[in-house]
Amino acid sequence: EVQLLESGGGLVQPGGSLRLSCVASGFMFNYYDMRWVRQAPGKGLEWVSGISPSGDKTEHADSVKGRFTISRDNSKSTLYMQMNNLRVEDTATYYCVKDHDFSLDYWGQGALVIVSS
Amino acid sequence: VVMTQSPLSLPVTLGQPASISCRSSQGLVHTNGNIYLTWLQQRPGQSPRRLIYKVSNRDLGVPDRFSGSGSDTDFTLKISRVEAEDVGVYYCMQGTHWPFTFGPGTKVEIK
Repeated sequence: EVQLLESGGGLVQPGGSLRLSCVASGFMFNYYDMRWVRQAPGKGLEWVSGISPSGDKTEHADSVKGRFTISRDNSKSTLYMQMNNLRVEDTATYYCVKDHDFSLDYWGQGALVIVSS
Repeated sequence: VVMTQSPLSLPVTLGQPASISCRSSQGLVHTNGNIYLTWLQQRPGQSPRRLIYKVSNRDLGVPDRFSGSGSDTDFTLKISRVEAEDVGVYYCMQGTHWPFTFGPGTKVEIK
């Protein structure tokens, strides 16, 4: 059974930093692209970042470019998101998502990030 | 690529059919010939769950009352007979063009 378990969310002040982690199990983690997708409270879904299986290629949405960094440790089957210089508008639930064949087939339970003073 | 959905709110009667439309601002036929259009379901308080991929392929465990169809820029998700557990928000998503983009969601509720 595929499982994606996020952690690291919480309350942070504007300008602060957080690091999200996502531990994967139930599939060959090092075979797949992985992505972060976020959802602001009561809003829709927004793709944030993506990373290739080996980690050599990363992509970020313009809204987070230069502030967020996606990475992975295949030896630990873990995906990360380092979030710096957080803004109020980054408040959202962040989902770790497995990418298979240009589709998002498995989603984690989400990590809530609240940016507020 | 901008994804639009209609309606944004869909009150339905239990046991009756429901239909959600999704349109893309560009054609979704990939250079490899596939169409990467996905439907997601998000029940209240839960994470999104994939229902359908590549337009019409149901995921394992998805009831056969859900079906997807369409081509190029126009797509439809149909529920043949709505059940109480189908309440939630449904999103279409395209994976053909970078970056992935989502529709705004259609909220399905019981009348």
